[in-house]
Amino acid sequence: GENVEQHPSTLSVQEGDSAVIKCTYSDSASNYFPWYKQELGKGPQLIIDIRSNVGEKKDQRIAVTLNKTAKHFSLHITETQPEDSAVYFCAASKNNNNDMRFGAGTRLTVKP
Amino acid sequence: NAGVTQTPKFQVLKTGQSMTLQCAQDMNHEYMSWYRQDPGMGLRLIHYSVGAGITDQGEVPNGYNVSRSTTEDFPLRLLSAAPSQTSVYFCASSYVAGAGTGELFFGEGSRLTVL
Repeated sequence: GENVEQHPSTLSVQEGDSAVIKCTYSDSASNYFPWYKQELGKGPQLIIDIRSNVGEKKDQRIAVTLNKTAKHFSLHITETQPEDSAVYFCAASKNNNNDMRFGAGTRLTVKP
Repeated sequence: NAGVTQTPKFQVLKTGQSMTLQCAQDMNHEYMSWYRQDPGMGLRLIHYSVGAGITDQGEVPNGYNVSRSTTEDFPLRLLSAAPSQTSVYFCASSYVAGAGTGELFFGEGSRLTVL
């Protein structure tokens, strides 16, 4: 089955800097790659997703890039703000929501 | 809209006890699922349902039962709690059921401790 690895497990940046979180996946048939943000005491919330027919997608300060050949995808957050502090999860899926596999998570801390 | 509502938020059980985690959604989603979240392991799928009367096993189903009698509700039952089931449990729903993938809407979680 699919295996998703996520790095780093923790990331600390200064406010205004950029943050990059990377994930690799094992199943070349995977074609849907969402990113979820989990704030303290809350459930994960989708912030951006990308499908395999697209190499990059942007939404304001966040962007996701996908390299299908290398089987990795990354989340980029620019101009980080303290409210970006949270745990971020990547995931990969090929056919259904029930075959989605999540990475272990990255705890991002943005220092004011 | 309330979205996905989970109860209880916190629960402490003794080994061997049984309990039910409740999950309800008001978005008329056909797809509902239960995940457990453990440190360093991300979210792992326990059971899922693609509609009322239909349930199936996920990645880590042992020790758990589910049922889906209505579109809105998807309870998770622990039959005989074990310390290995200490975890944070999340219920999630989606408008995409069956083939296809889409956004998962998560509840706020239920933290379970088994002594």
